[in-house]
Amino acid sequence: DQQVKQNSPSLSVQEGRISILNCDYTNSMFDYFLWYKKYPAEGPTFLISISSIKDKNEDGRFTVFLNKSAKHLSLHIVPSQPGDSAVYFCAASQIDRGSTLGRLYFGRGTQLTVWP
Amino acid sequence: EAQVTQNPRYLITVTGKKLTVTCSQNMNHEYMSWYRQDPGLGLRQIYYSMNVEVTDKGDVPEGYKVSRKEKRNFPLILESPSPNQTSLYFCASSLLADFVYNEQFFGPGTRLTVL
Repeated sequence: DQQVKQNSPSLSVQEGRISILNCDYTNSMFDYFLWYKKYPAEGPTFLISISSIKDKNEDGRFTVFLNKSAKHLSLHIVPSQPGDSAVYFCAASQIDRGSTLGRLYFGRGTQLTVWP
Repeated sequence: EAQVTQNPRYLITVTGKKLTVTCSQNMNHEYMSWYRQDPGLGLRQIYYSMNVEVTDKGDVPEGYKVSRKEKRNFPLILESPSPNQTSLYFCASSLLADFVYNEQFFGPGTRLTVL
């Protein structure tokens, strides 16, 4: 059973507007949440992360919001640019000296298309 | 240049023929991991390694083996490949202290087809 879910396989946004990518999770013990971006024929690249003790983290045009009570996080891209068109993966990790240390759980990804 | 390299980038093979996909990083990272990406399933972790001689299973380890004899290398071994292992494979690495909240560096991927 997937612990990290991205229920929207695709999102289309006009250039200059806000893109909002959503992610839900089931495991309340996750300590960190990460977003990766992937272009075709390339490996994923890290975008931004947030600790479970925070509710917002911002880096330039990218902001991640975390709602722990709803087990939901979202990535906001403002303003969206055509170069942002990629697959975005949400991921979660748990700092646990037991069996889950080392594990990184990914969602299925959302294809973002930013059109001019 | 800091990077993670994988070889081969593309491979077509037949069922049952043992193969190895190599992964090497030049950043002195302790942590390395293998993922497979399949349509509609996203990225799933196969195996990971916290350091030399320390490996553990991820989500989908069945049919795969790994070894970590040197810090820089983390090969993925398919002893008897089957068609359901046709996939896009990624190797990744990071500093041990960083991977839970910071970036992993991914290789360019290996497209494997098992006939």
